Amino acid sequence: DIQMTQSPSTLSAFVGDRVTITCRASQTITDWLAWYQQKPGLAPKLLIHKTSTLQSGVPSRFSGSGSGTEFTLTISSLQPDDFATYYCQQYNFYPCTFGQGTKVEIK
Amino acid sequence: EVQLVESGGDLKKPGGSLRLSCVGSGFTFSSFEMNWVRQAPGKGLEWISYISSSGTSTFYADSVRGRFVISRDNANNSLYLQMNSLRAEDTAVYYCARALRASLLDPFDIWGLGTLVTVSS
Repeated sequence: DIQMTQSPSTLSAFVGDRVTITCRASQTITDWLAWYQQKPGLAPKLLIHKTSTLQSGVPSRFSGSGSGTEFTLTISSLQPDDFATYYCQQYNFYPCTFGQGTKVEIK
Repeated sequence: EVQLVESGGDLKKPGGSLRLSCVGSGFTFSSFEMNWVRQAPGKGLEWISYISSSGTSTFYADSVRGRFVISRDNANNSLYLQMNSLRAEDTAVYYCARALRASLLDPFDIWGLGTLVTVSS
C-alpha cells in the first residue's frame, strides 16, 4: 500500500498566520491527492481534490499544490474556524490511503 | 440537503457480528459509488470497503476482507456493512462516504456523522 506521511504532526499558530502542511507519498501518485478537515466529534470534510481543486463552498484561503510525491496544503490566513485536524489522501493506487493527520492548534 | 445517516453501532464481544446501515437523502443514491471508512479512537482514517453504484462490484481492505460484507439497496437509498468475526481492533467510528465521481479510486465528498462500534469482552 502507498504510505502517506504528513508533517508536522502538530502545528501551533496564531489567527492570521500563513500555515503550510506537507504530505509525502511513498511513490508517485501524479496529482491524485485530496485534503480533508476534521473537527472533534465530526466527520471529515473534503477541502481539495486533484491536488489543487477547491471543493465547492471551501474558502479561498485554502490552497493545494504539488505533484509526484510531495504535496502541500496552505491556509493563507488562519481563521478561528480552521483549528482542526487535516488529512491527506492518495487515490491513485488501490487501496486509497490517508496520512496520519496534522493537528492545527491555537498558539 | 444532501446527507448520509449511519446507524447500528453497538458494543459487541470478540467473535460477534453486527450490521451497520447508512441511509442517503437529498441526492440520487443509485448513481453514486459508496464506501465505508473507519476511525479508531484517537487515530486516523482507514478506508475499508467500496461498492459500485449498481452493487455489482465490491472491494475490501485486507484488514476486513473475508469478515465484512458491503451491500446496498438502491430502492431504499441504503448502504450496509455486515461485520462478522469482530475483533478488538475493529473498534472505531464507522463512516459511510460518497465517492465524488463514479470510480473506485476517488475522494469522498459526503460523509455521514458516523456510528461507533466497540468490540470488547
